[in-house]
Amino acid sequence: EADIYQTPRYLVIGTGKKITLECSQTMGHDKMYWYQQDPGMELHLIHYSYGVNSTEKGDLSSESTVSRIRTEHFPLTLESARPSHTSQYLCASTAGDTQYFGPGTRLTVL
Amino acid sequence: QKEVEQDPGPLSVPEGAIVSLNCTYSNSAFQYFMWYRQYSRKGPELLMYTYSSGNKEDGRFTAQVDKSSKYISLFIRDSQPSDSATYLCAMKTSYDKVIFGPGTSLSVIP
Repeated sequence: EADIYQTPRYLVIGTGKKITLECSQTMGHDKMYWYQQDPGMELHLIHYSYGVNSTEKGDLSSESTVSRIRTEHFPLTLESARPSHTSQYLCASTAGDTQYFGPGTRLTVL
Repeated sequence: QKEVEQDPGPLSVPEGAIVSLNCTYSNSAFQYFMWYRQYSRKGPELLMYTYSSGNKEDGRFTAQVDKSSKYISLFIRDSQPSDSATYLCAMKTSYDKVIFGPGTSLSVIP
């Protein structure tokens, strides 16, 4: 079982607030990912990192930003939350060809 | 055309039934094939992983890959109510990111 953690699990916040979604893993994986998933819809890659100080935008345009200062930590930040950001955000890390997912953060922006 | 297509369902079967879940893909460079299971409000968890054509069995689950037809399947034997979840196929080339299908929602009725 993979050890990858996300906090908070649920977040309800007002428009315009700055939020940071936390993701950490204790497996020493270099590759980490953020996905956005709406109910009943596919996963969309929004950011990824291949190691410390490496970050790239994914296939889906996103107004969020990420940082990778430590191997185990890959936070995602929204500077000004909007209702269109309401979604589930999933963090993952990779060992070999296998991705391991965290439990997700369900974000609701009012 | 999306790179990975999957019947969205929902699929509803009686307990004990054999379930067949299918994906097709267009990129012949895909070499690694995975099936993930996602329970409601949870992150996806890896169920099966294979990189060759043919069948791979793990308990009640069998993953089948046909690279010539660009078609993969997951079979669940003796389905249980605990198998009720969304099943995501996923695949990747040797160097690229994982591409996920949209998922098939399965309900196993007692």
